[in-house]
Amino acid sequence: GAGVSQSPSNKVTEKGKDVELRCDPISGHTALYWYRQSLGQGLEFLIYFQGNSAPDKSGLPSDRFSAERTGGSVSTLTIQRTQQEDSAVYLCASSLWTGQETQYFGPGTRLLVL
Amino acid sequence: QQQVKQSPQSLIVQKGGISIINCAYENTAFDYFPWYQQFPGKGPALLIAIRPDVSEKKEGRFTISFNKSAKQFSLHIMDSQPGDSATYFCAASMRDTGFQKLVFGTGTRLLVSP
Repeated sequence: GAGVSQSPSNKVTEKGKDVELRCDPISGHTALYWYRQSLGQGLEFLIYFQGNSAPDKSGLPSDRFSAERTGGSVSTLTIQRTQQEDSAVYLCASSLWTGQETQYFGPGTRLLVL
Repeated sequence: QQQVKQSPQSLIVQKGGISIINCAYENTAFDYFPWYQQFPGKGPALLIAIRPDVSEKKEGRFTISFNKSAKQFSLHIMDSQPGDSATYFCAASMRDTGFQKLVFGTGTRLLVSP
């Protein structure tokens, strides 16, 4: 596909369970970003990757959140022991390189923690 | 200092009217100011962007006005159409630790009535 894809599109889980969210960036894009969009809020930066490296993890809300990227392509955001406040839309974006301003967003994963 | 304040939260405009959304920032290190448009169920998409060395940028019906001294910028949508009904986010970024970290406003939900 031509755009950023994310899966699943929707995820309902029970409090305390772990979840994995997947992002497939645009082919050739070396930079990848994760954001969180809570209801009525703007987008909150979580983490970015340049290649497989994540130089800045300061946006991750807690140590229950982690992310990895393999092969310079697909990235996975993992939330362990989910809490109700983790309910949000998790958006992934990619750009050609980290200095390029234009970030292309995927459709997001809507996470609901019951 | 990293915040971008956006107003109004919601806006209703008649078809053919002008929609105006305002944003303000504090950090003078910001050097890139994009606007993103988001339709329900979709990720945000870049609409138009401006750098602080110009005071206005126009693309079709969309114009950004930028006031560096006041640290404010706004989006004007001329001849607003029902298809423009969406949520609009302003953002700002700077080259921080080698990447463009986007700081988003909280969004404006625009409804253009037929």
